[in-house]
Amino acid sequence: QSALTQPASVSGSLGQSITISCTGTSSDIGAYDYVSWYQQHPDNAPKLIIFGVTNRPSGFSDRFSGSKSGNVASLTISGLQAEDEAHYYCSSFTTRNMIFGGGTKVTVL
Amino acid sequence: QVQLHQWGTGLLEPSDTLSLTCTVSGGSFSGHFWTWIRQPPGKGLEWIGEINFGGPANYNSSLESRVTISIDTSRNHFSLSLTSVTAADTATYYCARGPGDYFDLWAQGTLVTVAS
Repeated sequence: QSALTQPASVSGSLGQSITISCTGTSSDIGAYDYVSWYQQHPDNAPKLIIFGVTNRPSGFSDRFSGSKSGNVASLTISGLQAEDEAHYYCSSFTTRNMIFGGGTKVTVL
Repeated sequence: QVQLHQWGTGLLEPSDTLSLTCTVSGGSFSGHFWTWIRQPPGKGLEWIGEINFGGPANYNSSLESRVTISIDTSRNHFSLSLTSVTAADTATYYCARGPGDYFDLWAQGTLVTVAS
C-alpha cells in the first residue's frame, strides 16, 4: 500500500490560518472516515491531534480542525502560533494496514 | 493515567534480530490495539503491525515475513521481533495504543541502529 501524499512544507505568519492536504485513494481515505492527524516536535513522539476525520482529543486546542472530501483529507490550523511549528502526519485506515503520509513541515514566519 | 514505556537493544549488526518490549502501566490491555510504528531518521512514519487482547496479530504486508508481535497480559507488556535486520531497518521504533484506526498514546521511542 502506497503512502498518503502530503506537501513537504507549509508556512504561515503568526495568527494566520494554514491548511495541509493529505491525498489518498478510494481504498483508504475515500473508503473510510478513519483519518487521523499527528503533530511531532523534534525529538518527541508524535501526538494525536485529530481522529475520525474531524474529532479532537479531549482538551486539545480547537484551533486545529480536520475535514475530508473524496480521497483528500485536510488539516487546518487557525490562529497560527509559534508552538505550532512542527511536522504533521496524516494517517488512514485501510482494509489491511494503517498507512501514513510522508509528513509536512509547518514553519511559522 | 495510562503510560507506555519501551525498552530494547539499540545497536544491532546486519542479520541480527531486533527485539523491543513495551510495558503498559495504569491501565488494561482489553479494548485496545497495541501497535508498533517506526520512523527512519529524517523520514516519515511506517506502521509495522498490531495486536489486541485475545486476537491474532496483524502485520504490514511489506514486513510480514520478518515480524512477530506478541502480548503477555500477565506481565502487562507486548513485544516486537524483527528478524534478519539490515541498514534499512534503522529507525526510531515506537509502541502505541489505539482503538484500531488511530493512535492516542505513544511511548517515548527507541532508536535502533543497524551497522556492521
